[in-house]
Amino acid sequence: EVQLLESGGGLVQPGGSLRLSCVASGFSFSNYALSWVRQAPGRGLEVVASIIHSGGSTYYADSVKGRFTISRDNSKNTLYVQMNSLRAEDTAVYYCAKNGANHYYYGMDVWGQGTTVTVSS
Amino acid sequence: DIQMTQSPSSLSASIGDRVTITCQASQDIANYLNWYQQKPGKPPRLLIYDAANLETGVPSRFSGSGSATDFTFTISSLQPEDIATYFCQQYDNLPLTFGGGTKVDIK
Repeated sequence: EVQLLESGGGLVQPGGSLRLSCVASGFSFSNYALSWVRQAPGRGLEVVASIIHSGGSTYYADSVKGRFTISRDNSKNTLYVQMNSLRAEDTAVYYCAKNGANHYYYGMDVWGQGTTVTVSS
Repeated sequence: DIQMTQSPSSLSASIGDRVTITCQASQDIANYLNWYQQKPGKPPRLLIYDAANLETGVPSRFSGSGSATDFTFTISSLQPEDIATYFCQQYDNLPLTFGGGTKVDIK
């Protein structure tokens, strides 16, 4: 069974940092692109960052560019996102999602349960 | 960015009813469209990929059609477990974008 398990969410003050992790199992991790997708309370879905299978290319939404860094460790089947200079508008549930192929141009076919990030003083 | 416009934003239907949701893209996306189901407190679940292909394990009462800019998602006979919000997503171009969602509940 394909599984994605996120961790690292929590309450952080504006301007603070958090690192989210996502441990994957049940598929050949190094063959697939992965993404972080967030959903703010009562709002829609936004892809904030993606990374290809090898880690050699990344994508960032304009809203997080320069503040978030996505990375992966294929030896540990783990995806990360380092989130710096957090703002109130970053408050959301963050999902780790598996893209359908090795590049992030493909839609997501499996999602983790999500981890909640709250940015507030 | 490609805008995905879903309608309606919400609907109420009776058990057994046929339910139809539409998604319109702001430009031609061929058939690069997914449909997802999301229940409260849960992550999205892929139902349909490439506009019309049923994901493994998804009941056959769900279907999708369309191409270019106009797409339709149908539940042929609404069941109680289908109460959820449904989203479309295009993956023709970056950034991958989602429709605003359609909340389906029981009349």
